Amino acid sequence: AQKITQTQPGMFVQEKEAVTLDCTYDTSDQSYGLFWYKQPSSGEMIFLIYQGSYDEQNATEGRYSLNFQKARKSANLVISASQLGDSAMYFCAMREPRSYNTDKLIFGTGTRLQVFP
Amino acid sequence: ETGVTQTPRHLVMGMTNKKSLKCEQHLGHNAMYWYKQSAKKPLELMFVYSLEERVENNSVPSRFSPECPNSSHLFLHLHTLQPEDSALYLCASSRRQGSAGELFFGEGSRLTVL
Repeated sequence: AQKITQTQPGMFVQEKEAVTLDCTYDTSDQSYGLFWYKQPSSGEMIFLIYQGSYDEQNATEGRYSLNFQKARKSANLVISASQLGDSAMYFCAMREPRSYNTDKLIFGTGTRLQVFP
Repeated sequence: ETGVTQTPRHLVMGMTNKKSLKCEQHLGHNAMYWYKQSAKKPLELMFVYSLEERVENNSVPSRFSPECPNSSHLFLHLHTLQPEDSALYLCASSRRQGSAGELFFGEGSRLTVL
């Protein structure tokens, strides 16, 4: 069965510093997708970045980058130049094999990031 | 206009009440989802609809009843709930073609069962 593990319940980082949020996954599928979402206190899950299992280069989106190490089954999120607005819960997710034109994601338990001045 | 809108944002109900959660997506997507988010637990997928047809029901108790009348609207009908059903219920949508498979979420409906 597929599984996502986030071992850091909480992380602190100073403004303008970089921070890495850990994510490991387990799957027997060869084709899969990995996602990171941000959930501020408002509750909405905001899509940040995606990495496909066949992508050879690490994904980047602005200040977000995904450190994808396939052999280790890890997909860590790196946030550069942290901002106070980055304080939120962060979830790693993996897409199950597509069926019926749907994209079912399984999620980890999340990491609460707090950025301080 | 936001992509995925959920109403109500907050709901308090007794165990004998009947209420409904509503989700509307303005993105032209063809799949919609209900997730349950409880404290310190991963998001749990409850129901999946593709083109208005339910394609998955993850062993959800029958006191939760979904309805998808068209590709833009999704409801979750609630009746005789239990206190452990108190959680944030998140609706999401996705499109099949030309995407990585990311889900677009609403802000959720915070449900409290007394």
